[in-house]
Amino acid sequence: QSALTQPASVSGSPGQSITISCTGTSSDVGNYNLVSWYQQPPGKAPRLMIYEVSKRPSGVSNRFSGSKSGNTASLTISGLQAEDEADYYCYSYTTSNTYVFGTGTEVTVL
Amino acid sequence: QVQLVQSGAEVKRPGASVKISCKASGYTFTTYHIHWVRQAPGQSLEWMGIFSPSDGATSFAQNFRGRVAMTRDTSTSTVYMELNSLTSEDTAVYLCAREGPITYTLDYWGQGTLVSVSS
Repeated sequence: QSALTQPASVSGSPGQSITISCTGTSSDVGNYNLVSWYQQPPGKAPRLMIYEVSKRPSGVSNRFSGSKSGNTASLTISGLQAEDEADYYCYSYTTSNTYVFGTGTEVTVL
Repeated sequence: QVQLVQSGAEVKRPGASVKISCKASGYTFTTYHIHWVRQAPGQSLEWMGIFSPSDGATSFAQNFRGRVAMTRDTSTSTVYMELNSLTSEDTAVYLCAREGPITYTLDYWGQGTLVSVSS
């Protein structure tokens, strides 16, 4: 099972919107609406930001939103803030009854 | 409050095995699955496998099949992950995580256990 493909880095100025893509296959992202996104600040554990493609857990800002088209899922951060600087990972269930993470994206606020 | 507390850092020789513990508290141990994830230095997260504390069922990533085992001690609410035939490429932080009420996601994480493999 290969890792889902994400851009290595994305940057934006405060207040702007950025989008992170996550490309998989018909065996993972494309087959289920079970994509989630995690935020991992340096040296810390990941935090769930989006689940089931577009749902937000309690306590997560509505500046974070998710979507999916075919084999590609996306995470959008609106109104970018300095506190959003972190690594972001997508995560999907697969047809092999396993899970797979994305390659990770470093978000920088300019 | 929910907590997952892992065992301490390990240093191993190539070819050795390592066994890491993950002690759960703050919820009913057998209710939720535990996942194991690793992160090599400067690298991305890598899913290793899932363990069901209620019946001991497992599913492993292809990369680890044949050299990983997951077990539990229900009396202490602890899950164990053992990885065999270590190489330098297994040097990483190993994390346990709970799949909570929102299924197919990970809501609580252990603090991580650094495993260093070096001759």
